[in-house]
Amino acid sequence: GAVVSQHPSRVICKSGTSVKIECRSLDFQATTMFWYRQFPKQSLMLMATSNEGSKATYEQGVEKDKFLINHASLTLSTLTVTSAHPEDSSFYICSARPFAGTNNEQFFGPGTRLTVL
Amino acid sequence: QKEVEQNSGPLSVPEGAIASLNCTYSDRGSQSFFWYRQYSGKSPELIMSIYSNGDKEDGRFTAQLNKASQYVSLLIRDSQPSDSATYLCAFSGSARQLTFGSGTQLTVLP
Repeated sequence: GAVVSQHPSRVICKSGTSVKIECRSLDFQATTMFWYRQFPKQSLMLMATSNEGSKATYEQGVEKDKFLINHASLTLSTLTVTSAHPEDSSFYICSARPFAGTNNEQFFGPGTRLTVL
Repeated sequence: QKEVEQNSGPLSVPEGAIASLNCTYSDRGSQSFFWYRQYSGKSPELIMSIYSNGDKEDGRFTAQLNKASQYVSLLIRDSQPSDSATYLCAFSGSARQLTFGSGTQLTVLP
C-alpha cells in the first residue's frame, strides 16, 4: 500500500515553456500533498503544501505565480512550472500524506527530473 | 542553529558491520521522527518511523529516539552493499510538515 505515482518521470523543455507534473496517490486518499525540489547533492526543499479543495501554501521564496499547484481531488495534485528557465532545472518530488494516516507519515512519488534548455 | 543536524559523512563501513547514523533536532515540539533512504537519482523511501522514546527494531534496522536529548539515530546491522545510499532523517511537529536533515551518504564496502 501507500503508493504514489508521478508523471512524467523526465521532461526536457525549451526555455519559456510550461511544464505540468502530476502526482497521484494510487491506493489511498490524500487530503494533503507536498511538492519538493532537490538540487544535486542537496537535501529536499519543501516548495508548497497542497490541500484538496483549497489554495496551496507556499514556502518563503517560492513564487506562487511561477509554480502553480492544483489539488483537484483526494488522489491528484498537479504542479505546473510556468515559463520555465534553465535555473528551474531540478528534481521535483511530490509526497502524499494518507487521509486516514496518523503520525504524519509521507510517501514519496518517484520524482520528475526537469531539464530546461 | 539549523533545525536538524545530521552527520553529513560520507560514512564508509565494511560489509557485515554496523552502520550508525545520527541526527539531532532543535524543535522540542517534534512528535514524529522518520528515516528515509534515497538512492542516487531516486526519490526518498520511508524505512523507519518512531514516535516514542526508546528503540524500535525492524529487521536489520533499529531506530533510537531520545526526546530529552533531542536525538534520533538509525543503526543498520549486517550492512550490505545494497544499503549504500543517502539516509535522511526527518521530523514532524505541530505544523505536520516534514523537516529534513541534509542527509548522510553511506557506502558499504564489499
